[in-house]
Amino acid sequence: GDSVTQMEGPVTLSEEAFLTINCTYTATGYPSLFWYVQYPGEGLQLLLKATKADDKGSNKGFEATYRKETTSFHLEKGSVQVSDSAVYFCALQANSGYALNFGKGTSLLVTP
Amino acid sequence: NAGVTQTPKFQVLKTGQSMTLQCAQDMNHNSMYWYRQDPGMGLRLIYYSASEGTTDKGEVPNGYNVSRLNKREFSLRLESAAPSQTSVYFCASRGTGKEQYFGPGTRLTVT
Repeated sequence: GDSVTQMEGPVTLSEEAFLTINCTYTATGYPSLFWYVQYPGEGLQLLLKATKADDKGSNKGFEATYRKETTSFHLEKGSVQVSDSAVYFCALQANSGYALNFGKGTSLLVTP
Repeated sequence: NAGVTQTPKFQVLKTGQSMTLQCAQDMNHNSMYWYRQDPGMGLRLIYYSASEGTTDKGEVPNGYNVSRLNKREFSLRLESAAPSQTSVYFCASRGTGKEQYFGPGTRLTVT
C-alpha cells in the first residue's frame, strides 16, 4: 500500500542554519505530496504542496521538489529561525484515494 | 471564516464513559475526516466521509462511530471509552483540491 517515510528526529539546529528533512514515498501512479507543520499545542497547517512530478512547492522560505525518479519530496530551508521550531509531517494523497497518508513526523528545534 | 472548528478542546473520561466529539467546517467542503495522533505514530485515519450521507472506515475504526449530520458537521462518538483511546483527535475537511484543512484538535484522556 501507499506509505511515507521521513527522517527521524529530533533535529536540532542553530538559527540561520540550513535545513533538510528527508521524505520518501511508496505509491502507485502519481500521488500529490504535501508538507504540513504543527506548532506546539496546535493543529496541522498546510506548508506546501506539489501535485505532479518536478513541481516545486514553496512557502515561507521552505521548498520541496517532487522527484518521481527518487520517489522523494525533501523539505529544505536556507536559513531557519527560532519560530520554525515545530513538528513537520510529509504526506501523500493517492490519485484514487480520499485520505492522506502521513509520515511519523520530524521534530525540529531551532536554538538562538 | 473560522475554517474547521472542534469541540471540546480538552476532555477527561473514565473507562466505559461515552462522549461525542464535534467538528464543523464553513468552507463548503464535501469531504471530512477524523484522525488520531499518538506519539511516534503520526496521524492515523479513523473514519472519513467523502460526501454528505456517506461514511467509510479508515485505518483504525474500532471503538468509534461517526455521523455526517449535514454538509458542515461530522461527529465522532466513543461509546465506551478505553485507556487506549487516549489521544489527540483531529478533524479535517477537503474541497476540490487534494489538500486537507485541519481543526485545532481535541485532547482526550481516558483514565
